[in-house]
Amino acid sequence: ETGVTQSPTHLIKTRGQQVTLRCSSQSGHNTVSWYQQALGQGPQFIFQYYREEENGRGNFPPRFSGLQFPNYSSELNVNALELDDSALYLCASSLGGYGGNQPQHFGDGTRLSIL
Amino acid sequence: QKEVEQNSGPLSVPEGAIASLNCTYSDRGSQSFFWYRQYSGKSPELIMFIYSNGDKEDGRFTAQLNKASQYVSLLIRDSQPSDSATYLCAVNIPGYSTLTFGKGTMLLVSP
Repeated sequence: ETGVTQSPTHLIKTRGQQVTLRCSSQSGHNTVSWYQQALGQGPQFIFQYYREEENGRGNFPPRFSGLQFPNYSSELNVNALELDDSALYLCASSLGGYGGNQPQHFGDGTRLSIL
Repeated sequence: QKEVEQNSGPLSVPEGAIASLNCTYSDRGSQSFFWYRQYSGKSPELIMFIYSNGDKEDGRFTAQLNKASQYVSLLIRDSQPSDSATYLCAVNIPGYSTLTFGKGTMLLVSP
């Protein structure tokens, strides 16, 4: 069984740039959730994709956008990067896509640093 | 404001002791509860999940849920230095697509 994989592992960008982060879900999982985790904080929900459609969104501005592909892999895009976007970005996959009842399994994350 | 609260710690216990980690949540309708372990610089790893009132045991770990008190806890028996990590409590809030996390409790197990 293949786990959740994320790429890249680390990324350094400057303010105003754009970034794309990628995630492959665990084998058999059809739902992908993205989280932002700042240092010393719990993960904050960005959005969730289920069957290629956005299935919920947290309190993040529209410059955070995403996609899910037919193979259930997903991308997180962030435009006009700000210093506060520096964080660990986590992707989690699960089955179901509703209510958050199913256990979510995380990838290793992408560490994004904004200079 | 839907919240999940955890004591940030650190919680220090000697090797071999029982570590007790606690979490409270604000939404009485919450249905699913998860405990994750996160080592420094790593991603969260699922340890336990519990849906019903009472205890659920898995090896050295026991999750306890009391919906009337809106309280969920994680007990770690025979604590080991390798258990030293931050433990995140996550709750499914009805009406939301996914989980709401607490800030985590840091556990330190001394040899």
